[in-house]
Amino acid sequence: QIQLVQSGPELKKPGESLKISCKASGYTFTDYAVQWVKQAPGKGLQYMGWINTQTGKPTYADDFKERFVFSLETSASTAYLQINNLKNEDTATYFCARHRRVSDYWGQGVMVTVSS
Amino acid sequence: NFVMTQSPKSMSISVGDRVTMNCKASQNVGNNIAWYQQKPGQSPKLLIYYASNRYTGVPDRFTGGGYGTDFTLTINSVQAEDAAFYYCQRIYNSPYTFGAGTKLELK
Repeated sequence: QIQLVQSGPELKKPGESLKISCKASGYTFTDYAVQWVKQAPGKGLQYMGWINTQTGKPTYADDFKERFVFSLETSASTAYLQINNLKNEDTATYFCARHRRVSDYWGQGVMVTVSS
Repeated sequence: NFVMTQSPKSMSISVGDRVTMNCKASQNVGNNIAWYQQKPGQSPKLLIYYASNRYTGVPDRFTGGGYGTDFTLTINSVQAEDAAFYYCQRIYNSPYTFGAGTKLELK
């Protein structure tokens, strides 16, 4: 069955970096892009951007053009989200979703806590 | 800047009622929107795509409508399990902006 399985929760200090993973299974990884979505505590969904799994080209929403990096390990059917120079406001749950005009399968989300 | 505006922010409905929520795009998006349902602690679930197409397995009490800039999600005969947040999202053309969501509570 189709699944996107994300890595586990993270507790980081301001200024540190992290890299979370999103491993896809049950479909051909390169047939769908991967979308990334942020959800801060008690807030709505915020579109972060997406990565083309055929070319590796990332597209970032305006609020995520600095400090955020999308990447792939296509041989492992895995997408990554790296956040550099973490800030308190990066505390959130981060979702990946497979995307081909619409996101029909989502990962379970990764809770990231940034605190000194 | 492209914006999706959802209304109302929240609504309290009784089981069996009919409810309609709205999503307004800041520019014409044709039929390129989707609706998602999210319950606390869960990932979003796709309900409707291309404004009015029900996703596989979604009960037929969920109906999407609209074109251009104004869209609706209607739930006929609301059930207890429909208590959730509902989000619209622009699709097909990036940025795939989400609306701020509508919270549906059951009385």
